[in-house]
Amino acid sequence: ETAVFQTPNYHVTQVGNEVSFNCKQTLGHDTMYWYKQDSKKLLKIMFSYNNKQLIVNETVPRRFSPQSSDKAHLNLRIKSVEPEDSAVYLCASSPGTGYAEQFFGPGTRLTVL
Amino acid sequence: GDKVKQSPSALSLQEGTNSALRCNFSIAATTVQWFLQNPRGSLINLFYLVPGTKENGRLKSAFDSKESYSTLHIRDAQLEDSGTYFCAENNYAQGLTFGLGTRVSVFP
Repeated sequence: ETAVFQTPNYHVTQVGNEVSFNCKQTLGHDTMYWYKQDSKKLLKIMFSYNNKQLIVNETVPRRFSPQSSDKAHLNLRIKSVEPEDSAVYLCASSPGTGYAEQFFGPGTRLTVL
Repeated sequence: GDKVKQSPSALSLQEGTNSALRCNFSIAATTVQWFLQNPRGSLINLFYLVPGTKENGRLKSAFDSKESYSTLHIRDAQLEDSGTYFCAENNYAQGLTFGLGTRVSVFP
């Protein structure tokens, strides 16, 4: 099956902990993304990354960082979670760079207590 | 949500009826995508548009880049069409900018 896969589905943690979410795509795409969907369902781009360039949304706090081992994987690390980080984190990928169609994974729901 | 305005915010449809959703863009969009977010939270790709029109089954979408808007038409609504519909523009090749969504409920 070719798709975008994310693990875990859910994660509950306490303020100050470090968390890491995994994303893998088997679509052969060159660019991967992380989006955050807040409690009001607004989706916002956090990062876009291909093997040449990382683009960071300027509103993303520094405790968030993407980590990539190869073009099929882009993980998301949060160094010290805060309550406002509770959200659904969605990974996506697209062929090439630029304006190509993006495909999304099922998301990871983070709850920070 | 400021750069991409979706309307209506919510819609209740009887099975078998037709309806239209709209997105207005405050700045010119290069490409547009429409998604359905199902109750489980998965984003399902419906359409990817450069300026023009596409049709897929009971769904039809149009994107007018000059007038900065896109529409999604649902024909003969079915129960499985329920969910939240999002449009998104890709302007700067740096990720999609989403609207706030239209929550659609189809009832028998």
